[in-house]
Amino acid sequence: DTEVTQTPKHLVMGMTNKKSLKCEQHMGHRAMYWYKQKAKKPPELMFVYSYEKLSINESVPSRFSPECPNSSLLNLHLHALQPEDSALYLCASSQVRGRKIDTGELFFGEGSRLTVL
Amino acid sequence: AQTVTQSQPEMSVQEAETVTLSCTYDTSENNYYLFWYKQPPSRQMILVIRQEAYKQQNATENRFSVNFQKAAKSFSLKISDSQLGDTAMYFCAFMKIDYKLSFGAGTTVTVRA
Repeated sequence: DTEVTQTPKHLVMGMTNKKSLKCEQHMGHRAMYWYKQKAKKPPELMFVYSYEKLSINESVPSRFSPECPNSSLLNLHLHALQPEDSALYLCASSQVRGRKIDTGELFFGEGSRLTVL
Repeated sequence: AQTVTQSQPEMSVQEAETVTLSCTYDTSENNYYLFWYKQPPSRQMILVIRQEAYKQQNATENRFSVNFQKAAKSFSLKISDSQLGDTAMYFCAFMKIDYKLSFGAGTTVTVRA
């Protein structure tokens, strides 16, 4: 199984809503990532979890709240978002060796396309 | 901070022909990884090829090969015998050992039938 599964594929929410994006992998990877991607732009790193602990937060606004309940799951909780937060949110995972990356290859999900009205 | 530069926003190639995508990067690190990722329209991003900086030999994966020039900080991708399924956005990316993957701006490749 070499899949990273993201749900939902599409999400429309108002600025006062609370919603969550979910990501799941069963490859035994211990590093998981959230990226934000605008149309025709490269992905921008938001968060990195290593061994279920938050290791990198790229100064992301607090209206985005990540959570890693176990080694297979990664959530992104959304609250009070702005229209400019509309984007494709990509989850990825990678293998690690000890506390360092292994091959460095990231496995990406198909993404959750978020629209904030 | 690392920067990755892709100077070609768009490339067009005839089916069965060869196309080369350029990528340069800037880093003071000696150990790092370089990647080319492919993102087809409305489909997930997948790894095309990877290169470890300490390896002098250029990586190859079937029709995809790289020209890695460490001193020049250059990492170009050659797609040989282009196929319609190669149509996608291609991102050059750089990673140190700290999990941060930095992407270039991307090059949109269109393969014409």
